[in-house]
Amino acid sequence: QQQVKQSPQSLIVQKGGISIINCAYENTAFDYFPWYQQFPGKGPALLIAIRPDVSEKKEGRFTISFNKSAKQFSLHIMDSQPGDSATYFCAASKAGGGADGLTFGKGTHLIIQP
Amino acid sequence: KAGVTQTPRYLIKTRGQQVTLSCSPISGHRSVSWYQQTPGQGLQFLFEYFSETQRNKGNFPGRFSGRQFSNSRSEMNVSTLELGDSALYLCASSPKGGSATNEKLFFGSGTQLSVL
Repeated sequence: QQQVKQSPQSLIVQKGGISIINCAYENTAFDYFPWYQQFPGKGPALLIAIRPDVSEKKEGRFTISFNKSAKQFSLHIMDSQPGDSATYFCAASKAGGGADGLTFGKGTHLIIQP
Repeated sequence: KAGVTQTPRYLIKTRGQQVTLSCSPISGHRSVSWYQQTPGQGLQFLFEYFSETQRNKGNFPGRFSGRQFSNSRSEMNVSTLELGDSALYLCASSPKGGSATNEKLFFGSGTQLSVL
């Protein structure tokens, strides 16, 4: 059972545009929602994370929007740059962990065209 | 500070063999988690160790096991390898509570295992 669904699978955005990646979760016990960025040959690296007590969090060009009632959250990358080309994973977990650790979405392969 | 170090970087094994992968966490980190990454299934949680104790285990068969040493270094072992075990195995460390406190995970670059 896939508890975190991520879309789209791949995304091509022009340089300077806005990249938007969406995720939906099922388990209402989740209380931590991080986004990880992975470059080829490297492990994932935390980009930004949000907890359900806020609806939006911004760090530089990266923003998470969170809709608790819809059980959805999204990543917005403003002024997208070629260096942002990578695979992005949303994830979810609940304090105390449990058997699932971090539950990841399947990933979005983002390409920023110059 | 050095990052999470995983060895070896690449491994080729045949079906039925066993394999041991090693992970050295960031100095001072006490929690180590392991994840399997495949193109089809994505990133899946294997297990988490904290202070030498397995705290959580994902939905993987008993052929997958691990341990953590007193210096926080960790190993995972896969016995009786199957073709489907071919994957990138990622280790991640965190400073204190790991999943218990939803801490940031620091991932290594992984060990790419190919089973022939």
